[in-house]
Amino acid sequence: EAQVTQNPRYLITVTGKKLTVTCSQNMNHEYMSWYRQDPGLGLRQIYYSMNVEVTDKGDVPEGYKVSRKEKRNFPLILESPSPNQTSLYFCASSGQGPGNTIYFGEGSWLTVV
Amino acid sequence: DQQVKQNSPSLSVQEGRISILNCDYTNSMFDYFLWYKKYPAEGPTFLISISSIKDKNEDGRFTVFLNKSAKHLSLHIVPSQPGDSAVYFCAVRPQGAQKLVFGQGTRLTINP
Repeated sequence: EAQVTQNPRYLITVTGKKLTVTCSQNMNHEYMSWYRQDPGLGLRQIYYSMNVEVTDKGDVPEGYKVSRKEKRNFPLILESPSPNQTSLYFCASSGQGPGNTIYFGEGSWLTVV
Repeated sequence: DQQVKQNSPSLSVQEGRISILNCDYTNSMFDYFLWYKKYPAEGPTFLISISSIKDKNEDGRFTVFLNKSAKHLSLHIVPSQPGDSAVYFCAVRPQGAQKLVFGQGTRLTINP
């Protein structure tokens, strides 16, 4: 079954404590990305990766880091989380090309207190 | 600056009737227009799309209309069913890019 898997699904953490949200896909997709969803704003792209070792900033990259050492994994790193990073996060993947469907993970609820 | 706008946060429709969800965009440099559906505690799932060279695409009960001169996209669901109750996001894909730019979402409720 085609899947994008994120962990953890729910997390409450404190300001400044580094955390990583993992993302893995089993579809051999080249393209992966991270979005955050906030009320009234829809989903906004944080970072994306066109392939292994190729990453770039999306629309709201501040406070986040990513890495793409393997094709299937694309972790999102919050080095020093702040309360304004409290949000619902989605990982996504697709094949190359604009006609390919983008598949989303189930989401990770992150609360920073 | 919101490039994609869904001006109705919510919509309530009776079962069996037509649901019409609307979306406006501000930029002409988009080549794909999509609708995603999202249930609580799940990620968005692809529903239907249309390329900029077309003005209509149909898939079963779902039809997407694109009016490029008005920069307007709409999704018609007919007949509406209770399982259609969800949040619907319209999304656009900028030319040459693989990312999606999303609207704010519309919560559709189908009443029995």
